[in-house]
Amino acid sequence: DAGVTQSPTHLIKTRGQQVTLRCSPKSGHDTVSWYQQALGQGPQFIFQYYEEEERQRGNFPDRFSGHQFPNYSSELNVNALLLGDSALYLCASSPFGGAYEQYFGPGTRLTVT
Amino acid sequence: AQKITQTQPGMFVQEKEAVTLDCTYDTSDQSYGLFWYKQPSSGEMIFLIYQGSYDEQNATEGRYSLNFQKARKSANLVISASQLGDSAMYFCAMRVNSGGSNYKLTFGKGTLLTVNP
Repeated sequence: DAGVTQSPTHLIKTRGQQVTLRCSPKSGHDTVSWYQQALGQGPQFIFQYYEEEERQRGNFPDRFSGHQFPNYSSELNVNALLLGDSALYLCASSPFGGAYEQYFGPGTRLTVT
Repeated sequence: AQKITQTQPGMFVQEKEAVTLDCTYDTSDQSYGLFWYKQPSSGEMIFLIYQGSYDEQNATEGRYSLNFQKARKSANLVISASQLGDSAMYFCAMRVNSGGSNYKLTFGKGTLLTVNP
């Protein structure tokens, strides 16, 4: 049973560029959440997708957008990259309404130069 | 708004000894869940233990136990018989059950645990 997978593992982009990160949820999970973890900090909630719609959003600008596909996989898009967007981006999946833990993927480390 | 506070940036423990990692939380919601995650240097967040706000008994999962003191709004993680592989960052997180949506986790800043041989 595959867990949550994310691609790519590492990414280096230049300020002003756009980036797309991808996530495949754990089998049987239909809800995907994205988190940003800056160096030395705890993860910060970006948004959550269920039934291909954004259901909840954290305090992130509109430069951060996402998408969920019919197979429940998800993309995180960041436009007009800033140096401060450098972070580990974590994807987590869960069954909708599940009371227990979210299963996290290994993350994508984004470096903006 | 929810807030998680972890006041110990780093902790050291000798192998085979027990260690307590502190976590306090703040929320006005009555229904919430508290989580502990382990993050090794590889980056993946590994779920350790969960405590619901209405659970009367402290949660336990193998060598992990959660010391839940609701009145003090604390949810400390106790790791018994520490192992070298326990060296990692540990995060306390909270979810509130409101708004009809699935849950958003609010994390603390973490505690770096180092287990010495």
